[in-house]
Amino acid sequence: ELKVEQNPLFLSMQEGKNYTIYCNYSTTSDRLYWYRQDPGKSLESLFVLLSNGAVKQEGRLMASLDTKARLSTLHITAAVHDLSATYFCAVEENSGYALNFGKGTSLLVTP
Amino acid sequence: DADVTQTPRNRITKTGKRIMLECSQTKGHDRMYWYRQDPGLGLRLIYYSFDVKDINKGEISDGYSVSRQAQAKFSLSLESAIPNQTALYFCATSDPRRYQETQYFGPGTRLLVL
Repeated sequence: ELKVEQNPLFLSMQEGKNYTIYCNYSTTSDRLYWYRQDPGKSLESLFVLLSNGAVKQEGRLMASLDTKARLSTLHITAAVHDLSATYFCAVEENSGYALNFGKGTSLLVTP
Repeated sequence: DADVTQTPRNRITKTGKRIMLECSQTKGHDRMYWYRQDPGLGLRLIYYSFDVKDINKGEISDGYSVSRQAQAKFSLSLESAIPNQTALYFCATSDPRRYQETQYFGPGTRLLVL
């Protein structure tokens, strides 16, 4: 059974600071996804990481994937309030049929 | 117009009632999924369908059934609702032909079972 663990689950950070969210998973996979969810809203796709060493950046967010370590990171640079949301990583099993989600990281960026 | 729509958006029902949640998509995707989200638990897969004739159980299918009426429509039914089925339900779609495939989520249906 594929397990996906995110940490931290809750994160309060000041504007302007940097931080990293970690996503570990338990079995082999080459496909990892990051989503953002605002309160009461649906999930929005942020990044799709498809191979070892993949790195993608969008604004203040950068995601990377290390398939050998079974680890993905979501790095936040110079946080701003608009980044406050819950971030999920999801891993696709090699059987390729569905996503296994982490529990999510609730991020609050304060002035 | 939204690409993935869900109806109803909110529903309150009583224990033992049968209810149906509907999902429609205009993205032309073959694959459709139903997930439920509970606070602090992430999303868990209930059922998924790769095409109209291919329906499969997910991690937590007990107490649920689905129907894929057409490529664009995928319905989730709770045969006899119980309080622990109170959750936020999401439908999603994907297109495996696209290299950087992601899943596109609907707006969600908030269900309360009394």
